[in-house]
Amino acid sequence: AQSVAQPEDQVNVAEGNPLTVKCTYSVSGNPYLFWYVQYPNRGLQFLLKYITGDNLVKGSYGFEAEFNKSQTSFHLKKPSALVSDSALYFCAVRDGNRDDKIIFGKGTRLHILP
Amino acid sequence: EAQVTQNPRYLITVTGKKLTVTCSQNMNHEYMSWYRQDPGLGLRQIYYSMNVEVTDKGDVPEGYKVSRKEKRNFPLILESPSPNQTSLYFCASSRGQPLDTQYFGPGTRLTVL
Repeated sequence: AQSVAQPEDQVNVAEGNPLTVKCTYSVSGNPYLFWYVQYPNRGLQFLLKYITGDNLVKGSYGFEAEFNKSQTSFHLKKPSALVSDSALYFCAVRDGNRDDKIIFGKGTRLHILP
Repeated sequence: EAQVTQNPRYLITVTGKKLTVTCSQNMNHEYMSWYRQDPGLGLRQIYYSMNVEVTDKGDVPEGYKVSRKEKRNFPLILESPSPNQTSLYFCASSRGQPLDTQYFGPGTRLTVL
């Protein structure tokens, strides 16, 4: 079965430190992977996606993610965290058998401490 | 401004009283979808539509109906709401398949008493 896991419900990082939000996946076929962010009282916003090509994907707001096929991971990273990065982050993966469906993880709440 | 709008943003209702949550996008997107967000469960897809007059069930379609008579609108209908449908609902659209970037509405917080 296709699935995506975000093993941490919450991540706390001090402002200025690097941050990582973890995501692992299990799909058949080629994995298409996404990160979305949800700020308080807002809808989700697209951050970045991996379809093919370079394993390091750069996205909005200085975020990047590294696709690791052997570890089936797609961790979200940022070199220096800002307080404004505090939000709920969702990893998502295309259902390997269907082009019309995306599966979302349960979300990781990121707290950046001033 | 390119956007997805939802109405109402907040709704408190009682069990069994039919309601409709509207969703509209101004980007001429073909794909539209409804999700519900619940604590600890993330986003779960309710229904989606690949184009006008084409709709399909997502992961949790029970108790919901949708229609896609026009490209821009994708209303979510709860014929007889129940308390377990209390949730935060999001509408989303994308240019083609969901592999394209999805644009989300601001959400509708529904409480069913």
